[in-house]
Amino acid sequence: ILNVEQSPQSLHVQEGDSTNFTCSFPSSNFYALHWYRWETAKSPEALFVMTLNGDEKKKGRISATLNTKEGYSYLYIKGSQPEDSATYLCALGGATNKLIFGTGTLLAVQP
Amino acid sequence: KAGVTQTPRYLIKTRGQQVTLSCSPISGHRSVSWYQQTPGQGLQFLFEYFSETQRNKGNFPGRFSGRQFSNSRSEMNVSTLELGDSALYLCASSVGSGTHFEQYFGPGTRLTVT
Repeated sequence: ILNVEQSPQSLHVQEGDSTNFTCSFPSSNFYALHWYRWETAKSPEALFVMTLNGDEKKKGRISATLNTKEGYSYLYIKGSQPEDSATYLCALGGATNKLIFGTGTLLAVQP
Repeated sequence: KAGVTQTPRYLIKTRGQQVTLSCSPISGHRSVSWYQQTPGQGLQFLFEYFSETQRNKGNFPGRFSGRQFSNSRSEMNVSTLELGDSALYLCASSVGSGTHFEQYFGPGTRLTVT
């Protein structure tokens, strides 16, 4: 059974702080790693789909890196803003369209 | 383009009853997946439908079933409801596959079983 783990479970930072969190997954038979942002009362929103070892993707102040050999991905937020407050989910994708999600990191940014 | 819609948004049912949830995917998307989220658990994959056929299935009991219609709209049914079925049920429509897979979620249906 594939297991996707995220840490920390929750994070409280001040506005302007930069932060990062981790997604760990089995490194064998890697296909793709997805990151989502899920704000309260909204739908999960896709951030990145990463497929290649060493991939780095960026969207505004948010970026992500991928290490498929050791089985982890980091998500970075530079200069956190209150509107970044959300649960950040990673999910392992395979050859089928079934995603295996981690339990998420809950980020709270205090103004 | 309209997003993924789910109805109803909230539902309260009694143990032993059955429930049907509905999902309309983004226009043109033929794949619809269903997920369950309970407190402390990540999103758990239930099943995926593509062109009216179940293509993938998660590890849920047979009380959970689904179907897809020719217009790609999908329904999920849970029979003989248990308290533990109380959860947020998310539907997602998708394009592509494998490394080119993109999935878009609906707002979810919050089911409470009493």
